[in-house]
Amino acid sequence: DQQVKQNSPSLSVQEGRISILNCDYTNSMFDYFLWYKKYPAEGPTFLISISSIKDKNEDGRFTVFLNKSAKHLSLHIVPSQPGDSAVYFCAYSRGGNEKLTFGTGTRLTIIP
Amino acid sequence: GAVVSQHPSRVICKSGTSVKIECRSLDFQATTMFWYRQFPKQSLMLMATSNEGSKATYEQGVEKDKFLINHASLTLSTLTVTSAHPEDSSFYICSVKGVLAKNIQYFGAGTRLSVL
Repeated sequence: DQQVKQNSPSLSVQEGRISILNCDYTNSMFDYFLWYKKYPAEGPTFLISISSIKDKNEDGRFTVFLNKSAKHLSLHIVPSQPGDSAVYFCAYSRGGNEKLTFGTGTRLTIIP
Repeated sequence: GAVVSQHPSRVICKSGTSVKIECRSLDFQATTMFWYRQFPKQSLMLMATSNEGSKATYEQGVEKDKFLINHASLTLSTLTVTSAHPEDSSFYICSVKGVLAKNIQYFGAGTRLSVL
């Protein structure tokens, strides 16, 4: 079964610098990877996704990179802002009707 | 995206009582909704997929008789935690699939359940 791991439980970044969040997966059976941002006691908010046929997708300050040979996904946020402080989850889906399987999350703290 | 309303945001109940959580899709008709659960400092885990007009599909290990799901209309799904126990205390979140981008799910604000 597909496993998704976020090996860094926390990350601190200076405001204005680049934040890089990482995600590793174990097999190649997926259609999309997605990144969500979550504040305490709130539901996750969708940020950006990437399909399995691409290696990069960009939306404003957010860029997601997919390295299929390394089975690695990363989210770049630049420049980082205080409002970016939250827990970030990567998730994958297989097909339009499939569930999302989430990673364990990385708590990002932006230092003013 | 989609606008999802979840109610209540927080509930405290006594052990043995039942609690109903509502999830509404406010801006489009959702034939499929999803229910997730998140324990403290853990990831979100899918509990079940709620299908309008038919029985929900439960994930392995989730008791369907304990977590009753009703998706009676295209805009409303409910999750009832029956005979709640302290170990059911968790954060419950629903989601709907996007209309144009079906690989994206949009989430409600979640319900914090505390069972005493």
